[in-house]
Amino acid sequence: DARVTQTPRHKVTEMGQEVTMRCQPILGHNTVFWYRQTMMQGLELLAYFRNRAPLDDSGMPKDRFSAEMPDATLATLKIQPSEPRDSAVYFCASGLGSRYEQYFGPGTRLTVT
Amino acid sequence: ILNVEQSPQSLHVQEGDSTNFTCSFPSSNFYALHWYRWETAKSPEALFVMTLNGDEKKKGRISATLNTKEGYSYLYIKGSQPEDSATYLCAFMAGTASKLTFGTGTRLQVTL
Repeated sequence: DARVTQTPRHKVTEMGQEVTMRCQPILGHNTVFWYRQTMMQGLELLAYFRNRAPLDDSGMPKDRFSAEMPDATLATLKIQPSEPRDSAVYFCASGLGSRYEQYFGPGTRLTVT
Repeated sequence: ILNVEQSPQSLHVQEGDSTNFTCSFPSSNFYALHWYRWETAKSPEALFVMTLNGDEKKKGRISATLNTKEGYSYLYIKGSQPEDSATYLCAFMAGTASKLTFGTGTRLQVTL
């Protein structure tokens, strides 16, 4: 049963620290997405990749967030330095392209104190 | 900024009731409309991906219709069960990009 995996599942850190979240997309999927769930915004897209190339990261605060896909089996989302307002659940999703459903990982719950 | 709206925001029905929700999206530059089911403390799961005007899709007791010309989709649940309790999200895709814009969801609670 193919699934998107994310690590860590929970992260508590202090303001100013670096946070790295990892995602393993489903093997064979060529698009990978990072979303953030907040109370106010619901699910907001932070960045996405197709065939490992970044296509859109307009939803990310550029000064502190960065997203990469070092290889086809790993996507990372990094926050440096973290701030309390970054506290949220971060979801990774993968898919086969525009007209196919996205498969979501279990999420990383980030708390920045 | 694409505007995807869902109504109602929340809904409380009894077991056995049939119900429906609405998703409104821009009628221009349509590419695809997704529906997802999101249970509390879990992650969203895909229900349908709809691409053609007039599309109707069905999965068990859940079905959806699509009108791209007027910019809306309906999700129907027939004979609601407590396990249908979840937030139902629609998401709109414009052009040929893979980027989805999600609505804020309809939260359904089904009680016995």
